[in-house]
Amino acid sequence: EADIYQTPRYLVIGTGKKITLECSQTMGHDKMYWYQQDPGMELHLIHYSYGVNSTEKGDLSSESTVSRIRTEHFPLTLESARPSHTSQYLCASSATPGLAGGANTGELFFGEGSRLTVL
Amino acid sequence: GEDVEQSLFLSVREGDSSVINCTYTDSSSTYLYWYKQEPGAGLQLLTYIFSNMDMKQDQRLTVLLNKKDKHLSLRIADTQTGDSAIYFCAERAGNTPLVFGKGTRLSVIA
Repeated sequence: EADIYQTPRYLVIGTGKKITLECSQTMGHDKMYWYQQDPGMELHLIHYSYGVNSTEKGDLSSESTVSRIRTEHFPLTLESARPSHTSQYLCASSATPGLAGGANTGELFFGEGSRLTVL
Repeated sequence: GEDVEQSLFLSVREGDSSVINCTYTDSSSTYLYWYKQEPGAGLQLLTYIFSNMDMKQDQRLTVLLNKKDKHLSLRIADTQTGDSAIYFCAERAGNTPLVFGKGTRLSVIA
């Protein structure tokens, strides 16, 4: 069972508000990711991190920002939410093969998602 | 860049076998994965196959890999209504993030 948690699961907020989506994992994984997904649609990688103090932008341009100050924590922040930010945000983590031992293939473990609605 | 393609929809009758297909472009792929996503949830890893294998079986799931044609398939035997979900194919090559397909929506008709 994957130990990766996202809060809040659901958030409805007005335009212009600042929001932070939290993501934590207890597996000691070095890599973490944020994906944006409209319901039933494809995944878009928006940010990833390969370790503490390391963050990269993904394939889809996003107005959000991320930080990785601790291994287990990878929050995503929107400074000023807009209706176009309405979507589901999925957090994931993985271990570099060889670091976690066992049968680790570098597969991703996903959280349950945070569904954001901006009015 | 790398690309992973899947058909978007598949509809089968309960009890039949489902076959979901995927093609990828990166010949240096090391692992290929199948994930399942139920409504309103995150993705769950179903199974994976190493690139030097042709086939992997796990209970009702069979993965076939044709590395020459860069073709991956997932067969679900005796498909049940609980198998209705979106299935994503993904590949890993090197140290870059996994590349996901757009997902195949499987509908199981009772």
